[in-house]
Amino acid sequence: RKEVEQDPGPFNVPEGATVAFNCTYSNSASQSFFWYRQDCRKEPKLLMSVYSSGNEDGRFTAQLNRASQYISLLIRDSKLSDSATYLCAVDLTGNQFYFGTGTSLTVIP
Amino acid sequence: DVKVTQSSRYLVKRTGEKVFLECVQDMDHENMFWYRQDPGLGLRLIYFSYDVKMKEKGDIPEGYSVSREKKERFSLILESASTNQTSMYLCASSLSGLAETQYFGPGTRLLVL
Repeated sequence: RKEVEQDPGPFNVPEGATVAFNCTYSNSASQSFFWYRQDCRKEPKLLMSVYSSGNEDGRFTAQLNRASQYISLLIRDSKLSDSATYLCAVDLTGNQFYFGTGTSLTVIP
Repeated sequence: DVKVTQSSRYLVKRTGEKVFLECVQDMDHENMFWYRQDPGLGLRLIYFSYDVKMKEKGDIPEGYSVSREKKERFSLILESASTNQTSMYLCASSLSGLAETQYFGPGTRLLVL
C-alpha cells in the first residue's frame, strides 16, 4: 500500500459543478496535511492547509477524517481556471512529507 | 512572497556527465528539499537539509549527492548522469520545523541522452 494515495482521475466536470477529491494516508499519527495545485509543466503551489476542524477558503473546502485516515478537497462552482492537478501532502513521519501522485481535474465549458 | 529559483528550466546532458542543479531561496528558510517528479510516481524526495552543511537522505538518494554551504543555496549533484535520471527536478524550501509548508521552485526538466 502506498503511503499516500489519490485517485488519479481524470475528473472532467462542467463549469459550475461541485467536485470532491480524496487522499488516503497510511500513518494514523500524521499531523500535517496540505493540498497543492499544479498546473501543466509548472511547480506545485500551496492551495490550502487542512485543519482538524475543517477549513474553507472561498469555493474550496478541506476536511480531515482521522478515523478513516483521509483528507478531502471540495471545489464548489467550478471554474475553467480550476483545471489543474491537485496534490495532497501528508507529514507521515514528523520530518518528511509524502505527496500523492495527484488528481487531474478538467473543467469543461 | 517566498521565492525559490532554480538555475535552469531545461537541461540536456549525456550519460556519464556530472550535472549540477542549483536552488536558491530568498526567505531565510531553514529547510530545503530536492524532489524528482515522474508520471505515475508523483513527487519523490531525494535529499533534504535542515541546516547549513547538514543533509539527510530521502527515499531515493542513490545516484545523487547534495551540498549546502550557504543557508540560501542547496545544490543537487548527479555524479554520473544516467538515462533513468531523466526527470523533472523540483527544489523546495520551508521554515524551521520539517512539517511546515513547502514552497517550490519552477523545476528543472533534465534529459539525459
